Amino acid sequence: GAGVSQTPSNKVTEKGKYVELRCDPISGHTALYWYRQSLGQGPEFLIYFQGTGAADDSGLPNDRFFAVRPEGSVSTLKIQRTERGDSAVYLCASSFNPGNTIYFGEGSWLTVV
Amino acid sequence: SQQGEEDPQALSIQEGENATMNCSYKTSINNLQWYRQNSGRGLVHLILIRSNEREKHSGRLRVTLDTSKKSSSLLITASRAADTASYFCATDNNQGGKLIFGQGTELSVKP
Repeated sequence: GAGVSQTPSNKVTEKGKYVELRCDPISGHTALYWYRQSLGQGPEFLIYFQGTGAADDSGLPNDRFFAVRPEGSVSTLKIQRTERGDSAVYLCASSFNPGNTIYFGEGSWLTVV
Repeated sequence: SQQGEEDPQALSIQEGENATMNCSYKTSINNLQWYRQNSGRGLVHLILIRSNEREKHSGRLRVTLDTSKKSSSLLITASRAADTASYFCATDNNQGGKLIFGQGTELSVKP
């Protein structure tokens, strides 16, 4: 595709439920990043994939958060037992190689009620 | 944790004026990138400046980088109402290319 694609664009879920957010990076980009952004704040790093492997998951807040990229392209961010504090915009980004320009998707707005 | 700090946090100017936003960071970097974000939308990449560069231009944008002071500035010349957005600097600290963002500057350009 022309850009980074994220689905769903909006998700409202009840506290305690499980959520999956999907990211389709720019074709040919080897590096994929997940960020989280709360209102009025800058994006915070969650996890980074190089190919299929998670090269750096130091930003995941706790073990309720998990992400996969099984074939080195599409990635899924999974959140278990959602809490109201998980409400935020989840941004996915990709780059051709680490150290190159990073391009962001439009984000998935998650609201936990 | 955030790496950079943008200054000012908010800036309001008239159309046609120049807007200058500053960014300071703490650790050594591979490159620094500036992004723009309209309310409720994703981040749009504006410009990347590498650690061995001092200045870059792109259209009405001018970015400077001073690695000795660990700071960067973004200048938007002849601003337009459509430039109204939040602007973020982000540093690549040679940790696999991941970016660490500042808190952003909210720019308002009044027609």
